[in-house]
Amino acid sequence: GQQLNQSPQSMFIQEGEDVSMNCTSSSIFNTWLWYKQDPGEGPVLLIALYKAGELTSNGRLTAQFGITRKDSFLNISASIPSDVGIYFCAGRSGGNSGYALNFGKGTSLLVTP
Amino acid sequence: GAVVSQHPSRVICKSGTSVKIECRSLDFQATTMFWYRQFPKQSLMLMATSNEGSKATYEQGVEKDKFLINHASLTLSTLTVTSAHPEDSSFYICSASDTSVYGYTFGSGTRLTVV
Repeated sequence: GQQLNQSPQSMFIQEGEDVSMNCTSSSIFNTWLWYKQDPGEGPVLLIALYKAGELTSNGRLTAQFGITRKDSFLNISASIPSDVGIYFCAGRSGGNSGYALNFGKGTSLLVTP
Repeated sequence: GAVVSQHPSRVICKSGTSVKIECRSLDFQATTMFWYRQFPKQSLMLMATSNEGSKATYEQGVEKDKFLINHASLTLSTLTVTSAHPEDSSFYICSASDTSVYGYTFGSGTRLTVV
């Protein structure tokens, strides 16, 4: 599958700071998803986006589906220590759930108290 | 919400033996299941896509005779690593989807160590 370009690779921030990470692709996606993975666990879905331009929030998390359909960003506001983990963007080019996801390489987030 | 159960969470096996990993959708019917492999500090790499009642579709470079996938029912898919070798040691994760699940639900993963 196609690899997405996700940045930054890692972030080391203080508690209370806002965080922003993004993903780009050379192809168009119909769906963008953001996941968080803790060590030794499977990814957990944070936000799903299905329409170009869509802006969706989930608590302190906000994500947007880029207008070009080739990018997405995730913002975390007022970070807390439990936000620590690896965040992955994922895109799907097909029109239904039978298509696999393409994943970014992940953003490792460290939050100090 | 949708739950995917994956077992075992950890397994250690001897080189040359086979290991079976199960992936179950607990509260929905999974028409499609995906198997991923993840090396330390790396992203998830798709190994294969399986649809209930049909043969799995493997990604380029994944040996279908080594990684046997069976999706015999709408709630269960299995991945069997045959004749395992140390280089097969990795984190294997399944995910499941159906038409009513708007995201893809992942299992908790299986840490395979081949010694």
